[in-house]
Amino acid sequence: QKEVEQDPGPLSVPEGAIVSLNCTYSNSAFQYFMWYRQYSRKGPELLMYTYSSGNKEDGRFTAQVDKSSKYISLFIRDSQPSDSATYLCAMTSLDSGGGADGLTFGKGTHLIIQP
Amino acid sequence: EPEVTQTPSHQVTQMGQEVILRCVPISNHLYFYWYRQILGQKVEFLVSFYNNEISEKSEIFDDQFSVERPDGSNFTLKIRSTKLEDSAMYFCASSEDPSWKNIQYFGAGTRLSVL
Repeated sequence: QKEVEQDPGPLSVPEGAIVSLNCTYSNSAFQYFMWYRQYSRKGPELLMYTYSSGNKEDGRFTAQVDKSSKYISLFIRDSQPSDSATYLCAMTSLDSGGGADGLTFGKGTHLIIQP
Repeated sequence: EPEVTQTPSHQVTQMGQEVILRCVPISNHLYFYWYRQILGQKVEFLVSFYNNEISEKSEIFDDQFSVERPDGSNFTLKIRSTKLEDSAMYFCASSEDPSWKNIQYFGAGTRLSVL
């Protein structure tokens, strides 16, 4: 079973629509959850960061974490053509030594916002 | 806004040659990371580095790889004898202090092409 599953898409929606992007995971030790945006042949750009369960909102973006279901979501309201990119979920635990755990990424969802 | 910078943006090398990929992390960050992304695949963790030593490494990070912080600003990834399958995007990332939050910021990447 893969650690982090994410539908690669493509997901195509009209401008102004609400977009829902999701990831599921299997490792119950994951505590930190991130969403990155990646444009073609560029580095991942951090969008949202949440710790443990709950919601976090930043402008048009809302991140949700449901640890009981091992499911995280990113919602984009009033989507714009400039939101077209690949969205990567990433997560990590914090080892007992407080060291720097690497992030485990999903494969990314390719999102297309049609003008 | 502070950012992680990577050089070169594109490196072409012959199989069997050594390459060094360079990164300048964000100046007040303490933890440094390397990731790779083979075309069409997930971003994969390679190694993390703190206080001049490796903190964690993945199965991918075998004896052909090494990391170094040769001075106060640079962080390098060396691949000793490159193989065709090392062709990928290599991303450097840094974080401030993952003992309480593991927010990693990524550079734009170096595209390594092994011929």
